[in-house]
Amino acid sequence: ETGVTQTPRHLVMGMTNKKSLKCEQHLGHNAMYWYKQSAKKPLELMFVYNFKEQTENNSVPSRFSPECPNSSHLFLHLHTLQPEDSALYLCASSQGRDGGNTIYFGEGSWLTVV
Amino acid sequence: GQNIDQPTEMTATEGAIVQINCTYQTSGFNGLFWYQQHAGEAPTFLSYNVLDGLEEKGRFSSFLSRSKGYSYLLLKELQMKDSASYLCAAMDSNYQLIWGAGTKLIIKP
Repeated sequence: ETGVTQTPRHLVMGMTNKKSLKCEQHLGHNAMYWYKQSAKKPLELMFVYNFKEQTENNSVPSRFSPECPNSSHLFLHLHTLQPEDSALYLCASSQGRDGGNTIYFGEGSWLTVV
Repeated sequence: GQNIDQPTEMTATEGAIVQINCTYQTSGFNGLFWYQQHAGEAPTFLSYNVLDGLEEKGRFSSFLSRSKGYSYLLLKELQMKDSASYLCAAMDSNYQLIWGAGTKLIIKP
């Protein structure tokens, strides 16, 4: 138990579907992140929220839409995805964005686009 | 550009010692992290180094040389449960983490 909970753990969706990934952190942190993890590739940072404000969007396609209603919750809304979007999506949180702040990850949501 | 290099895969024997190396090139430097990730699970924090030298935590130690852009993770008295991927990440001047692709460590009896 890392203090960061993600649902669902597994998701299969068609290219025309709309679904959402949910993340909740119980650590009292101020920063939350979405990462994409593909096999044998480095973690790819997608979005960062600091105190509910989006501070980074690393050229992520618009078919991925984040939402952060408060410091404890983070969503990733998915629509018209492509098969190459199949991956493990990791949510994470940290106390702040500066050096030495450890990032804590959730268990991840395995996404398969068919 | 910014880059992290670490071996793709390593094999070691139960009870032995293994060293996983990581070299980094970043714009500025605000520390280096090591994470462990078992298959199908979340990456979990192992260590953070920002000053040169060796930090020891039980069976695991992490070393940093800022002048060489180099770090290693040392695992002693290997156990079967240490079979996992080990992720190296360096934090740049903008506090952004640059991640390596991970080293898959296989422990054999």
